[in-house]
Amino acid sequence: DAKTTQPPSMDCAEGRAANLPCNHSTISGNEYVYWYRQIHSQGPQYIIHGLKNNETNEMASLIITEDRKSSTLILPHATLRDTAVYYCIVRSGNQFYFGTGTSLTVIP
Amino acid sequence: DTGVSQDPRHKITKRGQNVTFRCDPISEHNRLYWYRQTLGQGPEFLTYFQNEAQLEKSRLLSDRFSAERPKGSFSTLEIQRTEQGDSAMYLCASSLFDSNQPQHFGDGTRLSIL
Repeated sequence: DAKTTQPPSMDCAEGRAANLPCNHSTISGNEYVYWYRQIHSQGPQYIIHGLKNNETNEMASLIITEDRKSSTLILPHATLRDTAVYYCIVRSGNQFYFGTGTSLTVIP
Repeated sequence: DTGVSQDPRHKITKRGQNVTFRCDPISEHNRLYWYRQTLGQGPEFLTYFQNEAQLEKSRLLSDRFSAERPKGSFSTLEIQRTEQGDSAMYLCASSLFDSNQPQHFGDGTRLSIL
């Protein structure tokens, strides 16, 4: 059922940009890409979503390739509190398929 | 706090007992979802409601599981005759009717079966 592929883990130095990649090669034309993150013992936190244009909000930027087969979540200045599991999701009907995500560790 | 609220946060029970969890969604959200998450895995979809109607169920939702949303506001998830394999985090999410709107999650109920 998983429609996205992410690296299992990544490290990032504190203060640097964290770039988290995601492949979604089977995405359909009207399916959005969503990003969530989950810190231990908490529910997933919504970050950002987009269809085909790049998006930016107060938390992050989302860059979607022109063919829409992949995307990158950018945390511009990573802090220790950004250490979490990050999920890239392509919605299928009314279901979100989370996969196992990328465990991001921000290093002091 | 106006986010999604779940109660209880933790539940420990003996195998074979029945348990019930409650979810209060964000007030203007008419869609409500239940997920289950086991250690090291992402959340897995169980079921969703639009207002009081249960519109979709996953094959993970065995006949021991039942979910209700009687007045289109809060929802309950009941597990009957609990088994060891039911130990997990049960997450609730809500969203607006527009299917492209993001789902907003509560912090879940962690169920431990002794």
